[in-house]
Amino acid sequence: QKEVEQNSGPLSVPEGAIASLNCTYSDRGSQSFFWYRQYSGKSPELIMSIYSNGDKEDGRFTAQLNKASQYVSLLIRDSQPSDSATYLCAVNPGANNLFFGTGTRLTVIP
Amino acid sequence: KAGVTQTPRYLIKTRGQQVTLSCSPISGHRSVSWYQQTPGQGLQFLFEYFSETQRNKGNFPGRFSGRQFSNSRSEMNVSTLELGDSALYLCASSFISGGAGEQFFGPGTRLTVL
Repeated sequence: QKEVEQNSGPLSVPEGAIASLNCTYSDRGSQSFFWYRQYSGKSPELIMSIYSNGDKEDGRFTAQLNKASQYVSLLIRDSQPSDSATYLCAVNPGANNLFFGTGTRLTVIP
Repeated sequence: KAGVTQTPRYLIKTRGQQVTLSCSPISGHRSVSWYQQTPGQGLQFLFEYFSETQRNKGNFPGRFSGRQFSNSRSEMNVSTLELGDSALYLCASSFISGGAGEQFFGPGTRLTVL
């Protein structure tokens, strides 16, 4: 079983819609969770970090964490074509460094 | 505040050669982590240095090594290059060691092994 799993997509949403990206992780002791955005040919860019259960909002982005279900999600409201990218979920299980999911490719259709 | 810088941005090498990549972290960050990104395997952790000490190591052969200097700049070395080493090599800097804190990536070095 992989440490971090994401649906590879592609996920297509119309402009203005809500994009929902999901991630599950295997280590129940994980404490730190991150979402990165990666445009094609570029390096990952940190967009959200979350450490406790519940929701964390930053502009159009909301991260949701449920440690009991070992599930973290990212919602993008009012999706824009510029949001089209691969979104990487990263989890720190505590003992070592970050484990990354393989990413979900999001396409926002104008 | 300046971001993470990596040099060189592109490298072309042949099998059997060795290569050294450099990473300068964000000012004040003492943790530098290295990752390999390939289309098939995604982002995989190589190792982390904090205050000149290797803190964590991923599951890569001994051909991959690194070091960190007193100014927190880090270098990564790959010896006896293989075709499968072709990848985007990313470094990330953080204030906190061990991946618990936010990590900020550099632009990466794209290595092609012929």
